[in-house]
Amino acid sequence: EPEVTQTPSHQVTQMGQEVILRCVPISNHLYFYWYRQILGQKVEFLVSFYNNEISEKSEIFDDQFSVERPDGSNFTLKIRSTKLEDSAMYFCASSTTGGLPDTQYFGPGTRLTVL
Amino acid sequence: KNEVEQSPQNLTAQEGEFITINCSYSVGISALHWLQQHPGGGIVSLFMLSSGKKKHGRLIATINIQEKHSSLHITASHPRDSAVYICALNLLYGNEKLTFGTGTRLTIIP
Repeated sequence: EPEVTQTPSHQVTQMGQEVILRCVPISNHLYFYWYRQILGQKVEFLVSFYNNEISEKSEIFDDQFSVERPDGSNFTLKIRSTKLEDSAMYFCASSTTGGLPDTQYFGPGTRLTVL
Repeated sequence: KNEVEQSPQNLTAQEGEFITINCSYSVGISALHWLQQHPGGGIVSLFMLSSGKKKHGRLIATINIQEKHSSLHITASHPRDSAVYICALNLLYGNEKLTFGTGTRLTIIP
């Protein structure tokens, strides 16, 4: 069964460094998402992406963050100048449709630790 | 006030028991999702509902749109059902993003 994959599974970085989290969505899906979950808290929406542009973003998704689909398969989240509070699990998800409710398929997550 | 509330926060039961997890929400929605988060962190979609009831194996999900309430039931619970169960919403004018509840941690004791 097709699945969303994410790399790396765990990333440790120093405060102020840039990180890139990578995701490979399911191949026929058109809508892509990033969510994050700070330890012990609920999952929060960061950004949705369709047709090579941001569809919606939350207030969390400020200028520190950017997303890109550099080729036909990868979907990346870049975090510039990381802060301690960026430490969280980051989940990528994809769905076949957007605008209408649809099942979102989640990747296994990348645990980001900022020291 | 949270848009979505789940109860209970934690639930411990014996193997074989019938489990009910509740989700109440205070906003208009286009769909409600039940998700399972494994101890390792991975999230799996169980159901998407906009009305009525859905069943998959031992899992049953219901929704009452008028009362803004949904329940997830597990019959003949098993230790492998131990996980966090999360209710998430597609808000009525919120496009495709999901708004998550805080989850219910379920532990099934053999």
